[in-house]
Amino acid sequence: DTGVSQDPRHKITKRGQNVTFRCDPISEHNRLYWYRQTLGQGPEFLTYFQNEAQLEKSRLLSDRFSAERPKGSFSTLEIQRTEQGDSAMYLCASSLEFRAYEQYFGPGTRLTVT
Amino acid sequence: AQSVSQHNHHVILSEAASLELGCNYSYGGTVNLFWYVQYPGQHLQLLLKYFSGDPLVKGIKGFEAEFIKSKFSFNLRKPSVQWSDTAEYFCAVTEGTGFQKLVFGTGTRLLVSP
Repeated sequence: DTGVSQDPRHKITKRGQNVTFRCDPISEHNRLYWYRQTLGQGPEFLTYFQNEAQLEKSRLLSDRFSAERPKGSFSTLEIQRTEQGDSAMYLCASSLEFRAYEQYFGPGTRLTVT
Repeated sequence: AQSVSQHNHHVILSEAASLELGCNYSYGGTVNLFWYVQYPGQHLQLLLKYFSGDPLVKGIKGFEAEFIKSKFSFNLRKPSVQWSDTAEYFCAVTEGTGFQKLVFGTGTRLLVSP
């Protein structure tokens, strides 16, 4: 499968713990996006990278959230000191820079904070 | 800030019925408009897109959407739905000439009964 992959698919954690998610984009895509989707809502933009540079961050991305894309390939999203309000589906998408309107989404990581 | 409204949260139709899902956006400048679909157990995928030109856009699987600038609307239509169209449909917008982040509506769950 050459689509966007995310790992893990499900994560259950206790409040206060740190969690890290991984996204592997389509190999030739230099743009990578993170979105968050809560129940009954559409995806909300969190941040995006062009190659290894993080070019935009949403105000939704509090100080407890950090995203990296160190080599311009896979990306990680870390949430520190998780809170129950962090429970959501975290979606990753990728695109080519010059076809950024065609974002390909991964299956998501569902986070449950207990 | 840019926002997208989808007024129908749940729609139930019988096979062969016609479909129209509403989408309104708030931004008054240049916009790029999208419909994404998420079939049960699958990733979000692009159904159709509008950038400029003919306001009637045709997408995959017989779907079409019409951009009406004066109404800030981009409604999705299909003349005759099939059971396989059961899915969640999201309208999304990007502002201006950039495609950095998609702003999604809350989605419409469509159930087509055979």
